[in-house]
Amino acid sequence: ETGVTQSPTHLIKTRGQQVTLRCSSQSGHNTVSWYQQALGQGPQFIFQYYREEENGRGNFPPRFSGLQFPNYSSELNVNALELDDSALYLCASSLEGLDSYGYTFGSGTRLTVV
Amino acid sequence: GDSVTQMEGPVTLSEEAFLTINCTYTATGYPSLFWYVQYPGEGLQLLLKATKADDKGSNKGFEATYRKETTSFHLEKGSVQVSDSAVYFCALSNDYKLSFGAGTTVTVRA
Repeated sequence: ETGVTQSPTHLIKTRGQQVTLRCSSQSGHNTVSWYQQALGQGPQFIFQYYREEENGRGNFPPRFSGLQFPNYSSELNVNALELDDSALYLCASSLEGLDSYGYTFGSGTRLTVV
Repeated sequence: GDSVTQMEGPVTLSEEAFLTINCTYTATGYPSLFWYVQYPGEGLQLLLKATKADDKGSNKGFEATYRKETTSFHLEKGSVQVSDSAVYFCALSNDYKLSFGAGTTVTVRA
């Protein structure tokens, strides 16, 4: 059973640029969620995708967008990067979006905006 | 909205000491509660969970009991090891998302 894999592991971007982060869900999981973890803080929910549709969204601006593909892999896109977007971005997959099955997290992508 | 408050760190202990990390929550409905652990440079790993009141989650010597009357889910371990050094996050799941506390850094010295 494979876990959740994220790529790249580290990324440096310039303010104003756009970035795409990728996530492969755990085998059999059809729901993916993205979280932003700023340094020294707990993760904050960005959004969730279930069967290729956005299923819920946290308090993040529209320049944060996502996609889920038929194989349940996912992308997080951030436009017009700001310095405050520097953080660890975590992807989590689950089955049917139900917490009773648990969420499996990837190791994250460390984004630095300069 | 939902929120989680956990004990501020950092916490420094000697090996074989008793560990407690307090966690309280505010939520509508009946959330599931979790403890996640994060080792340096890594993502989050599920440590234990409880899905209803009075449930006790346990794993690797860690325990936490879902207390609805006090809205708490305190983490305990009777005898810590150096390998338990990490950041611990309390979280709740309501509807489709997890809400996390700010994390507690635990350092165990030999």
